[in-house]
Amino acid sequence: DAKTTQPNSMESNEEEPVHLPCNHSTISGTDYIHWYRQLPSQGPEYVIHGLTSNVNNRMASLAIAEDRKSSTLILHRATLRDAAVYYCILITGGTSYGKLTFGQGTILTVHP
Amino acid sequence: DTAVSQTPKYLVTQMGNDKSIKCEQNLGHDTMYWYKQDSKKFLKIMFSYNNKELIINETVPNRFSPKSPDKAHLNLHINSLELGDSAVYFCASTRGEGQYGYTFGSGTRLTVV
Repeated sequence: DAKTTQPNSMESNEEEPVHLPCNHSTISGTDYIHWYRQLPSQGPEYVIHGLTSNVNNRMASLAIAEDRKSSTLILHRATLRDAAVYYCILITGGTSYGKLTFGQGTILTVHP
Repeated sequence: DTAVSQTPKYLVTQMGNDKSIKCEQNLGHDTMYWYKQDSKKFLKIMFSYNNKELIINETVPNRFSPKSPDKAHLNLHINSLELGDSAVYFCASTRGEGQYGYTFGSGTRLTVV
């Protein structure tokens, strides 16, 4: 699975939008872009994923660049509960051998 | 109902003991995983099973032996526990093939003393 690059940390204020970037310049055509987050003392939590088109769900939006070499996770209104480590991960589709390979992720701090 | 449940939540044991961690998912997923998160918070995959068949076996000491009695269950047995095995172990499952999200359990914190 191709690698991703994320900033080590980001900060935001409560109720403001947060844009978490992820670079994946070696992405292949069958790689899905997944985002997970891990709140303190909890297991990783699925946030969103996509292949080519932008995606929205109740938690967040995923904006995927046209060349697919980067993506941005958008939290529309950050809350204190969104403070977590956010992981951007690529997984190859079409195989049962896919696996989530976690990097360092981005530590998001949300200020009241 | 909890989607991916692990037992026990906490496990404290002495070096040299043998222990097991159990995982069950009620999502109907085909693929299950074990991950280890060490004290530096780095999450590393250990094993993966697809429909009871072992498909991923990362570089893990053979003291660790996974077992999947059916596709809803994946257990992890650890022999001769060492101090370095202290970590949080997470179970996860997915329908598979990248186009589906992964669901994680809440973790088992293993402390070897």
